Amino acid sequence: DTAVSQTPKYLVTQMGNDKSIKCEQNLGHDTMYWYKQDSKKFLKIMFSYNNKELIINETVPNRFSPKSPDKAHLNLHINSLELGDSAVYFCASSPGYATNEKLFFGSGTQLSVL
Amino acid sequence: GENVEQHPSTLSVQEGDSAVIKCTYSDSASNYFPWYKQELGKGPQLIIDIRSNVGEKKDQRIAVTLNKTAKHFSLHITETQPEDSAVYFCAAFFTGYSTLTFGKGTMLLVSP
Repeated sequence: DTAVSQTPKYLVTQMGNDKSIKCEQNLGHDTMYWYKQDSKKFLKIMFSYNNKELIINETVPNRFSPKSPDKAHLNLHINSLELGDSAVYFCASSPGYATNEKLFFGSGTQLSVL
Repeated sequence: GENVEQHPSTLSVQEGDSAVIKCTYSDSASNYFPWYKQELGKGPQLIIDIRSNVGEKKDQRIAVTLNKTAKHFSLHITETQPEDSAVYFCAAFFTGYSTLTFGKGTMLLVSP
């Protein structure tokens, strides 16, 4: 009965590879997010989608491409991985957009680029 | 854009002591201020939040206070327990950006 689930939990890969992280929420929320947490624990938003539409796209390299096939899923595809992409990536959801409501986070995907 | 400053970055207390974490925000239009707790290997979880029309809110051992004039808000944990050890994040909802901006986190260590 996990609310926000993301896979895989750990991802170890070589520089230059392409990888994807999947996220699903069963809360019926309209809005989903991707956050990046660096080694200093700083949480920074990357993208947000509301009902499958891109709402926020922070200054993230074009190598990162989110895809939302439906409002319960938001996947993150990363091309040509670089060392600096190593971080923990969190998916999150909230009931709506442009409303101050709480976020529900997944348990994170620790990406290590070697 | 919105800027949220959080202090201290680390905090060590003895079990039973109180812990206080402080945050300031830059945008006076911000109207929602949640606090998240992140345990090792897990995602952040909301523990308490406060809206701009309220000055204080309590939930058992935790409380949050908000001073809109000074643009700062604080988390207070009383009678700390070892299981309170975690990283705590404050955040502010910036209405112009329609998303939360997080502080840089406080690692709280409660020693038995």
